[in-house]
Amino acid sequence: DQQVKQNSPSLSVQEGRISILNCDYTNSMFDYFLWYKKYPAEGPTFLISISSIKDKNEDGRFTVFLNKSAKHLSLHIVPSQPGDSAVYFCAASNYDKVIFGPGTSLSVIP
Amino acid sequence: KAGVTQTPRYLIKTRGQQVTLSCSPISGHRSVSWYQQTPGQGLQFLFEYFSETQRNKGNFPGRFSGRQFSNSRSEMNVSTLELGDSALYLCASSLGIGAGPPRDTQYFGPGTRLTVL
Repeated sequence: DQQVKQNSPSLSVQEGRISILNCDYTNSMFDYFLWYKKYPAEGPTFLISISSIKDKNEDGRFTVFLNKSAKHLSLHIVPSQPGDSAVYFCAASNYDKVIFGPGTSLSVIP
Repeated sequence: KAGVTQTPRYLIKTRGQQVTLSCSPISGHRSVSWYQQTPGQGLQFLFEYFSETQRNKGNFPGRFSGRQFSNSRSEMNVSTLELGDSALYLCASSLGIGAGPPRDTQYFGPGTRLTVL
């Protein structure tokens, strides 16, 4: 029973365009959400987070949107760059535990 | 500042054996968490240690255990290995301020790739 879902295993986007990665969760008790990026042969690195009291958080080219009623969050990358090609993990927490999604592999095509 | 290191990077074992993985956190970090990554399953939380005490535990069988030393280094042990234990095992460290990793950015090591034959 996956509590955090990333229904798109992979995504391809042209360089310069917007990348939108989606994540759905089932537990309404989750109140903090994070995105991590993972390159091959490296551990995940923290990208951006959002608290449930907000609906948007922005950091440079990265913006995370949270829709609590739909239990849905998304990560927008604008503009996409080839160096953004990686696996992106969505994670949700209920204060003392973090649940990760299965990941979405993003390919940015030059 | 050195990052999180994990040893060994690769390991091949046979069913029934046991294995110990090691994690050295970033200097000053007191919290260490362990995750199992398998294809299509994301990162499954194993346990978290803070100041030598297990603070949180995921839904894994008792064959998976861990410990943390006074210098914050942590080890994870898997006994009686099964084929399904083949995975990438990731360690993450954080300062440990507050209630735990969700409020406290985790820094991951490169992982140990365990293959069980």
